[in-house]
Amino acid sequence: RKEVEQDPGPFNVPEGATVAFNCTYSNSASQSFFWYRQDCRKEPKLLMSVYSSGNEDGRFTAQLNRASQYISLLIRDSKLSDSATYLCVVTSYNQGGKLIFGQGTELSVKP
Amino acid sequence: DADVTQTPRNRITKTGKRIMLECSQTKGHDRMYWYRQDPGLGLRLIYYSFDVKDINKGEISDGYSVSRQAQAKFSLSLESAIPNQTALYFCATSDYSGVYNEQFFGPGTRLTVL
Repeated sequence: RKEVEQDPGPFNVPEGATVAFNCTYSNSASQSFFWYRQDCRKEPKLLMSVYSSGNEDGRFTAQLNRASQYISLLIRDSKLSDSATYLCVVTSYNQGGKLIFGQGTELSVKP
Repeated sequence: DADVTQTPRNRITKTGKRIMLECSQTKGHDRMYWYRQDPGLGLRLIYYSFDVKDINKGEISDGYSVSRQAQAKFSLSLESAIPNQTALYFCATSDYSGVYNEQFFGPGTRLTVL
């Protein structure tokens, strides 16, 4: 079983749609959680951190459920520019703070 | 100018050749990382270095070696390249602040081994 698993993609949605991505992690000692965004053939970039209380950044909302070892990312009012691959990332003290990446979920927003 | 640079950006080589990928950063970070990315597998950690004298194997270090020449430079070598090392390679850097350590990635090197 992979340490971090994401919904298989691709997700194809129309502009303005709301889309949700799910991610599960297997290491119960995991302590920090992130969503990174990767545009086609480009480097990953941090989109947002995920806090226990949930957090929002504009149209993006991240949620964490430690009991279920589950992370989510919700994108409201999708834009064409949201088209990218979204990477769920986890880190923990017992892994020296290294980032463990999910395989990514591809999103394509159509006009 | 980019904070994390990688050279070359693209490389085609033949099986058995020695290849070096280079990474430089101007962010002043102590920590540097090498990843490879394959379709459907996400990013996998090859080696990482928390400072010039501290180098550690990652998840998939076999067939690779690294050198941390200075705080700002971290090189990845393939001593004898093989076709299944064809992948997109990323270098990354981070500062240390407890557990949270956002990583900043270079633009990647696309390596093809024939």
